Amino acid sequence: GAGVSQSPRYKVTKRGQDVALRCDPISGHVSLYWYRQALGQGPEFLTYFNYEAQQDKSGLPNDRFSAERPEGSISTLTIQRTEQRDSAMYRCASSHHPVTGQNTEAFFGQGTRLTVV
Amino acid sequence: AQSVAQPEDQVNVAEGNPLTVKCTYSVSGNPYLFWYVQYPNRGLQFLLKYITGDNLVKGSYGFEAEFNKSQTSFHLKKPSALVSDSALYFCAVRGMTTDSWGKLQFGAGTQVVVTP
Repeated sequence: GAGVSQSPRYKVTKRGQDVALRCDPISGHVSLYWYRQALGQGPEFLTYFNYEAQQDKSGLPNDRFSAERPEGSISTLTIQRTEQRDSAMYRCASSHHPVTGQNTEAFFGQGTRLTVV
Repeated sequence: AQSVAQPEDQVNVAEGNPLTVKCTYSVSGNPYLFWYVQYPNRGLQFLLKYITGDNLVKGSYGFEAEFNKSQTSFHLKKPSALVSDSALYFCAVRGMTTDSWGKLQFGAGTQVVVTP
């Protein structure tokens, strides 16, 4: 597609439920990133993929958070047993290969606003 | 570990005056540096980047940034600010070591307010 697409745009869920957030990157982009952003703060790194391989998941807060990108394109961020502190904007970004690609900047989607009640 | 510091929470400037948003970084090896802008209820938009070459890089909407290796800084500048430049600005760094090259680290952001 023309840009990074995230769905849903808004998600309200009850505490304890599982949620799955979807990211469809720019066509041809090798790298895909997940960030979490609190209001008025900078994006906080969660994890990233090159192709289907998860390269770094050091930013995932705990084992309730997981991500996958099975075919090297669309990615899903899953949060199990959601808690109120998980409420935030979740942003996905994609880029060409961060080292070998000529264009290394990441392009962001509009984000998914998650509210846990 | 890599990090980014944006020392000013907010920068106020009158329209037509020069705008500077400060950023310093810490990273192992040579850095890739980026500026992004976020308008209210919008996603992050890429403004410009420094990879290598000239220390002064030009980007979108008349913005430019100067890379200073000795001061580990990458300040964003615009010669004449517009009211429409009012937004939240983020500096970001990506390192080039094997444990940092995939991780784009953001600063906390600087709110720019341009008054008419």
